[in-house]
Amino acid sequence: DVKVTQSSRYLVKRTGEKVFLECVQDMDHENMFWYRQDPGLGLRLIYFSYDVKMKEKGDIPEGYSVSREKKERFSLILESASTNQTSMYLCASSSSDRDGYTFGSGTRLTVV
Amino acid sequence: AQSVTQPDIHITVSEGASLELRCNYSYGATPYLFWYVQSPGQGLQLLLKYFSGDTLVQGIKGFEAEFKRSQSSFNLRKPSVHWSDAAEYFCAVGEDTGTYKYIFGTGTRLKVLA
Repeated sequence: DVKVTQSSRYLVKRTGEKVFLECVQDMDHENMFWYRQDPGLGLRLIYFSYDVKMKEKGDIPEGYSVSREKKERFSLILESASTNQTSMYLCASSSSDRDGYTFGSGTRLTVV
Repeated sequence: AQSVTQPDIHITVSEGASLELRCNYSYGATPYLFWYVQSPGQGLQLLLKYFSGDTLVQGIKGFEAEFKRSQSSFNLRKPSVHWSDAAEYFCAVGEDTGTYKYIFGTGTRLKVLA
């Protein structure tokens, strides 16, 4: 079964910490995405990547960066965590526009 | 700019009743359209998709959706709801421009009464 795996289901971090959220897919997909999900706001795109070492800003990139050193791994980095980054973070991958995304199970991050 | 609207934030139906979840989109050409379901604490699972051809598409778990270009709608339906269908449902739209980005609606939370 194809999978997108997010390394942590729950994380609690302190304000100002540098936080790494890891995502690995085993489908050989070129495209990977990071979204955050907040009640009433749906899913908002943070960053995405078309290929190794490629990255593009989404709609809400401020306070985040990403890294894609290998095709299967796409990391989201919170440079200095703040309480307004408390959210559910969802990683997804896809092979084409038409196929839809495969999502990971999500990481619920709480910044205190 | 593209947009997706799910007008209903919450919907409650009785088990065995029919269901229709609404989705309207704004896009100039024929978009790629998707419905996803999210169970509590989980990621999103693809229910069905449309990009061309027959405007009535069948998906998993007994769901179907109909693309109506004249109404810019892609409503999700199920003839008989089961208690396990209680979840949040998201409509999404993508472009045929190679950007691979989707725009998601804000979701409809479905409650099923026994």
